[in-house]
Amino acid sequence: DTAVSQTPKYLVTQMGNDKSIKCEQNLGHDTMYWYKQDSKKFLKIMFSYNNKELIINETVPNRFSPKSPDKAHLNLHINSLELGDSAVYFCASSLDADDTQYFGPGTRLTVL
Amino acid sequence: QKEVEQNSGPLSVPEGAIASLNCTYSDRGSQSFFWYRQYSGKSPELIMSIYSNGDKEDGRFTAQLNKASQYVSLLIRDSQPSDSATYLCAVSSSYKLIFGSGTRLLVRP
Repeated sequence: DTAVSQTPKYLVTQMGNDKSIKCEQNLGHDTMYWYKQDSKKFLKIMFSYNNKELIINETVPNRFSPKSPDKAHLNLHINSLELGDSAVYFCASSLDADDTQYFGPGTRLTVL
Repeated sequence: QKEVEQNSGPLSVPEGAIASLNCTYSDRGSQSFFWYRQYSGKSPELIMSIYSNGDKEDGRFTAQLNKASQYVSLLIRDSQPSDSATYLCAVSSSYKLIFGSGTRLLVRP
């Protein structure tokens, strides 16, 4: 059984388009996260939700909007995609903040 | 700026040797420390977590934490070619994990 899943695995799109990435966890965790890993492999947190409430928003352009319909889901919508948005986006979850985080398989976004 | 620093490597060791990976962090208030392993094209997976000063052993892996020196390390004994990956140090700070840039480990057969 997949603990943290993301869809799609690959996303190729044109500049200016709007796209969404979905994340689901079946671990019963209260906290979910979105990370961006750039071409230099640096993993940086973007957002964190605890019990559907936003607790971290790390200087991310407001073209990025996370949405948590329930504790098990955290989706990421990106408007007006730019070339610099190309990266691998990872979803993660943990029982609570400061606990071990478990990562999804990642979504490789390529903006042309 | 709160940071986690690692040597990017690559760290090259022969098969069977001990690999030593190091990490320093700047936030003295951090309480939780993690080592993740990431194979190329894959997601990070947890290797070890450590919360108190001293050593913590799990199989071939030993994590060491020294909060006074703001230093955490990972030792891999009897290194295997399958250990070749990027090792990410992560430190909790204000409800988030701050990751280092990772150390690439190469284990030569």
